[in-house]
Amino acid sequence: EAGVAQSPRYKIIEKRQSVAFWCNPISGHATLYWYQQILGQGPKLLIQFQNNGVVDDSQLPKDRFSAERLKGVDSTLKIQPAKLEDSAVYLCASSLQGAGETQYFGPGTRLLVL
Amino acid sequence: AQSVTQLDSQVPVFEEAPVELRCNYSSSVSVYLFWYVQYPNQGLQLLLKYLSGSTLVKGINGFEAEFNKSQTSFHLRKPSVHISDTAEYFCAVRDLYNTDKLIFGTGTRLQVFP
Repeated sequence: EAGVAQSPRYKIIEKRQSVAFWCNPISGHATLYWYQQILGQGPKLLIQFQNNGVVDDSQLPKDRFSAERLKGVDSTLKIQPAKLEDSAVYLCASSLQGAGETQYFGPGTRLLVL
Repeated sequence: AQSVTQLDSQVPVFEEAPVELRCNYSSSVSVYLFWYVQYPNQGLQLLLKYLSGSTLVKGINGFEAEFNKSQTSFHLRKPSVHISDTAEYFCAVRDLYNTDKLIFGTGTRLQVFP
């Protein structure tokens, strides 16, 4: 079975520019997650979708970050405008519905903001 | 709020030696516990998880972990490591009563030397 796909793998932008990341979860997975992993830290949940709806976005900086999951499949995460501290790896994960279900992670998008 | 502590940021070990990576979480009535591994430039891969039942959990690649409720610990062990085990290891907890969010520790870098 195909895993979680993410693109692009790498992105370099200047501060105040905008950037978008794309994620295609494993087929049939209702739940989709976006994590931010800053160098030297563990992943931090930004937003969790259950099908089309947002379950948790309490740690999403809503003044600059936005995310959507149209039709309950693919998802995009956008940053506008980017700040230096947004430099990180952005990981997408998906799982079947249920708290004990395994989250499967994509390879991530490494963002560098100059 | 739930938190996860991985006391060792780096663990150097020789090949074929045993290793233990420590993980402690803040107290909670009911938790699910996970260990993930991250190889360079890749996403996270599940090693093992504890949901209920036997406190000794066996995972992939010869790893195992023991859930200790009284000490709120979930240490990861392997009796004999290989060079290929060199990676970053993350402990994570899901607190079922306060939030359904997966909380990660800061990670332990396992470096295996020949």
